[in-house]
Amino acid sequence: GESVGLHLPTLSVQEGDNSIINCAYSNSASDYFIWYKQESGKGPQFIIDIRSNMDKRQGQRVTVLLNKTVKHLSLQIAATQPGDSAVYFCAENIGRGSTLGRLYFGRGTQLTVWP
Amino acid sequence: DADVTQTPRNRITKTGKRIMLECSQTKGHDRMYWYRQDPGLGLRLIYYSFDVKDINKGEISDGYSVSRQAQAKFSLSLESAIPNQTALYFCATSDARRGGQETQYFGPGTRLLVL
Repeated sequence: GESVGLHLPTLSVQEGDNSIINCAYSNSASDYFIWYKQESGKGPQFIIDIRSNMDKRQGQRVTVLLNKTVKHLSLQIAATQPGDSAVYFCAENIGRGSTLGRLYFGRGTQLTVWP
Repeated sequence: DADVTQTPRNRITKTGKRIMLECSQTKGHDRMYWYRQDPGLGLRLIYYSFDVKDINKGEISDGYSVSRQAQAKFSLSLESAIPNQTALYFCATSDARRGGQETQYFGPGTRLLVL
């Protein structure tokens, strides 16, 4: 399954399938990106990050891809499990000047995994 | 993340009342943030502090104030609460030593209802 985080805020997948969550970021000066997972009733939890000098970074069952040409970020989750059901946010950091260290968050995508 | 704690976790108050939300962290981070989350929206930055003597407004600071009492403590006040401040509030911290490319670690959130 695939979604665009800012334009299609829900994604439903079958357990065991791969999930792709997309995010379009706005600022070409952004140099650091983070994906967060937020389960119901909890705070956002760090999943994976990537710097702008990289195109791809892999974690455990997750991969983040960065396409700076079109300002697009994606999160791929392999073999999606029911415990992956949550809202996923992308965040960008414009690490210069007065905005150093600040994160700007997308609206989020609700991922639902069906057994 | 147990390293970032927020009190209270839930609060119901009336219009016009003064409310304080507190945040404490044991991560040793210099930077602390307050965010607001509304249903279907991403996180919006209210205030942030890069060290004990530094306070900065975020995107939506009107109606809020903050105090950085110590490196580990950052409190958010609603001087005169109004119903549209009903939301989920998150505190976050980050490590300035990463020079702007910093993961933020979030507390569990405070759910505030203003009647």
